[in-house]
Amino acid sequence: EDQVTQSPEALRLQEGESSSLNCSYTVSGLRGLFWYRQDPGKGPEFLFTLYSAGEEKEKERLKATLTKKESFLHITAPKPEDSATYLCAVLMNTGFQKLVFGTGTRLLVSP
Amino acid sequence: NAGVTQTPKFQVLKTGQSMTLQCAQDMNHNSMYWYRQDPGMGLRLIYYSASEGTTDKGEVPNGYNVSRLNKREFSLRLESAAPSQTSVYFCASSERSAGRPSTDTQYFGPGTRLTVL
Repeated sequence: EDQVTQSPEALRLQEGESSSLNCSYTVSGLRGLFWYRQDPGKGPEFLFTLYSAGEEKEKERLKATLTKKESFLHITAPKPEDSATYLCAVLMNTGFQKLVFGTGTRLLVSP
Repeated sequence: NAGVTQTPKFQVLKTGQSMTLQCAQDMNHNSMYWYRQDPGMGLRLIYYSASEGTTDKGEVPNGYNVSRLNKREFSLRLESAAPSQTSVYFCASSERSAGRPSTDTQYFGPGTRLTVL
């Protein structure tokens, strides 16, 4: 069964304390892996797309990496405004290319 | 560009009532999607429209119908609402051009929070 698992479910960091979020997947054919940020009461906001193992993308304090079985979202020296839920989704390379979402990691960064 | 817009933002229904959720995008995207988001579960696809004039079932289509009115608009209808349909509903769109993986990215609207009593 196609599955996307994110860990941890929740993470509390102090401002400046770097960490990583994990997204592991078991799907039948990966077309792309997406990271989104979701603030409370808002829709998911697109961050990155990764297409092949070894690929990396960066944006401000965020860096996403991809291997054959998982992706990491590294957060360097986070600030309180980085607090949000981070969603991982996998686009499969079968049929209509369905997007399968994980349940997200809730990140809280304290000043 | 407004991106993806959804109306209404909030709605409360009684069991058995019907309603239509509206979605529009101004990015000239080919594909549009309806998802629901429930606590502890990932976003789940209800219906999608790969291109204007086509619609298809996703993972959880029971109790819903959709209409792709034109390239911009994609509506979701609940014919007889049930408490199990209490959720947050998101519309999304993507360009989806064949042979161009970069156009797979889905962009989401702000959501409609629906409560069915």
